[in-house]
Amino acid sequence: DAGVIQSPRHEVTEMGQEVTLRCKPISGHDYLFWYRQTMMRGLELLIYFNNNVPIDDSGMPEDRFSAKMPNASFSTLKIQPSEPRDSAVYFCASSQEGPGKLFFGSGTQLSVL
Amino acid sequence: GDSVTQMEGPVTLSEEAFLTINCTYTATGYPSLFWYVQYPGEGLQLLLKATKADDKGSNKGFEATYRKETTSFHLEKGSVQVSDSAVYFCALSPSSNTGKLIFGQGTTLQVKP
Repeated sequence: DAGVIQSPRHEVTEMGQEVTLRCKPISGHDYLFWYRQTMMRGLELLIYFNNNVPIDDSGMPEDRFSAKMPNASFSTLKIQPSEPRDSAVYFCASSQEGPGKLFFGSGTQLSVL
Repeated sequence: GDSVTQMEGPVTLSEEAFLTINCTYTATGYPSLFWYVQYPGEGLQLLLKATKADDKGSNKGFEATYRKETTSFHLEKGSVQVSDSAVYFCALSPSSNTGKLIFGQGTTLQVKP
């Protein structure tokens, strides 16, 4: 298996623009997680899905953030409008057994200018 | 709420030195505990785990023992290599099985030849 695939690897955008991050989980994994990593706050869980259904979105910072999982092989994290404080590395991870053994993608480095 | 605290880094060691990275946690009940490793430019990978008190997780020469009495899960390796240079994250999965994996801040390890 190719592992968890995220795109793009790097995204540079201007404040106010819409940003869409994409994730393809490992086939057969029922759980999908979106994390954000910054120097100041470390790794934060934003939202996670089980069988394509959002289970916990309490980590989503505000209404500017939204996530969808239209099918078992694809998820998006959208920020609209983006702000400089959203600059971070965003990781997608999937799992077959809940939160224990997560498989992470390589992340998307987002810079909002 | 549940939380994980790791020793601050960076930790700088010479090759073949003994490694300890401290991790303590706060949680109700009996969480599962994990160590993840992040190599430069990559996502996190599961290194080892322990699911109940006194369990020892081990992998690639690394070990950690789940100590309920001291609420700790310290990572150790007897002889580090340059290739072990990475960021190490301690994490817990609450006993309530909410689906969340709570990470510590991460500890950077630098091993010099």
